[in-house]
Amino acid sequence: AQSVTQLDSQVPVFEEAPVELRCNYSSSVSVYLFWYVQYPNQGLQLLLKYLSGSTLVKGINGFEAEFNKSQTSFHLRKPSVHISDTAEYFCAVAPPLVFGKGTRLSVIA
Amino acid sequence: EAQVTQNPRYLITVTGKKLTVTCSQNMNHEYMSWYRQDPGLGLRQIYYSMNVEVTDKGDVPEGYKVSRKEKRNFPLILESPSPNQTSLYFCASSKDFPHQPQHFGDGTRLSIL
Repeated sequence: AQSVTQLDSQVPVFEEAPVELRCNYSSSVSVYLFWYVQYPNQGLQLLLKYLSGSTLVKGINGFEAEFNKSQTSFHLRKPSVHISDTAEYFCAVAPPLVFGKGTRLSVIA
Repeated sequence: EAQVTQNPRYLITVTGKKLTVTCSQNMNHEYMSWYRQDPGLGLRQIYYSMNVEVTDKGDVPEGYKVSRKEKRNFPLILESPSPNQTSLYFCASSKDFPHQPQHFGDGTRLSIL
């Protein structure tokens, strides 16, 4: 069965520092990959997606992710975080659609 | 505005009292689904629907029912709620599955006493 592992449940980082949120998945066949963000008291919003083509995917709010097929990873990065990036981030893989358990990013002033 | 609307947003109720959480989308999406979110467990799929009158179980369907009589609506029914169903619930929809992203509602926080 498909599984998604987000390696860090919590990531604290200082404002303007870079951040990487790690995601690994189990499938060895073609997959679609997504990162979602959840702000407090809100639903999930799409940050970016990988369907095919270039392995470096750019999303909203300055985030990007790199698809690495050999390592079955899809890590999310941002070169300089802001206080407003404090949220929970979910990696997801399809098909079937499976979500990771989430990484709580806390940006410290 | 394209959106997924869930009601109610918050509900406190008692064990055994039937309840329905409504979900409606205005994007003409075929695929709809329900998730529950619990601390440390992420999102787990309860039921999904590929189109009208087509529904199927997700990972945690026990204690829940759904129906899809119209394309836009996908209600979640708890016939006899129990305290272990206290959770944050999300409805989502997408145009195509699996390559299109999900559009999520704002969530329904259920507390069952």
